[in-house]
Amino acid sequence: DAGVIQSPRHEVTEMGQEVTLRCKPISGHNSLFWYRQTMMRGLELLIYFNNNVPIDDSGMPEDRFSAKMPNASFSTLKIQPSEPRDSAVYFCASSQDRWPEETQYFGPGTRLLVL
Amino acid sequence: SQQGEEDPQALSIQEGENATMNCSYKTSINNLQWYRQNSGRGLVHLILIRSNEREKHSGRLRVTLDTSKKSSSLLITASRAADTASYFCATLGDGGATNKLIFGTGTLLAVQP
Repeated sequence: DAGVIQSPRHEVTEMGQEVTLRCKPISGHNSLFWYRQTMMRGLELLIYFNNNVPIDDSGMPEDRFSAKMPNASFSTLKIQPSEPRDSAVYFCASSQDRWPEETQYFGPGTRLLVL
Repeated sequence: SQQGEEDPQALSIQEGENATMNCSYKTSINNLQWYRQNSGRGLVHLILIRSNEREKHSGRLRVTLDTSKKSSSLLITASRAADTASYFCATLGDGGATNKLIFGTGTLLAVQP
């Protein structure tokens, strides 16, 4: 199994540009999570999907952030326009529906730097 | 707000020693999980303990849970240099059918060879 796949692994962009992060969950997993990790704020849940439907987006910082899951094997997190304070490592994770004993499998992360 | 707070924030030990990390949380939980994060990598699940369990073992890992004190501890015995990583607790609330884990702030463990 290839695990959770994220792309790109690194992204450097300028303030005001649009950034799109991509995630392919593990096949057969029906929950997908987007996290952001910074030194200051730790690991924050931004949004999660179950069966491609957004369930909880209360962690999305503001309207500049949006996430989609058009099918079971692909999700995107978009930041438009990007700002320097968005610089962080963004993780995607997926889990199989075995509530409440689901464990999450994390991707390698996308390291985003907004100049 | 953070549900879990790990203690200590950082821990440095010698190879072969035991490492103990603690986690406190605020609300009722369904289960508590521990994850490890190596530098520059994603988190990896280590062990899950249910709210009705008090202790669980997995290899060199021992987890305890005290729901009356809303706290958990992770013990790594006979530590190795490869155990150097950050360790996070994560809780699943018991308020409903949510998949949402709340992660703590993490403990950075350094095992000196």
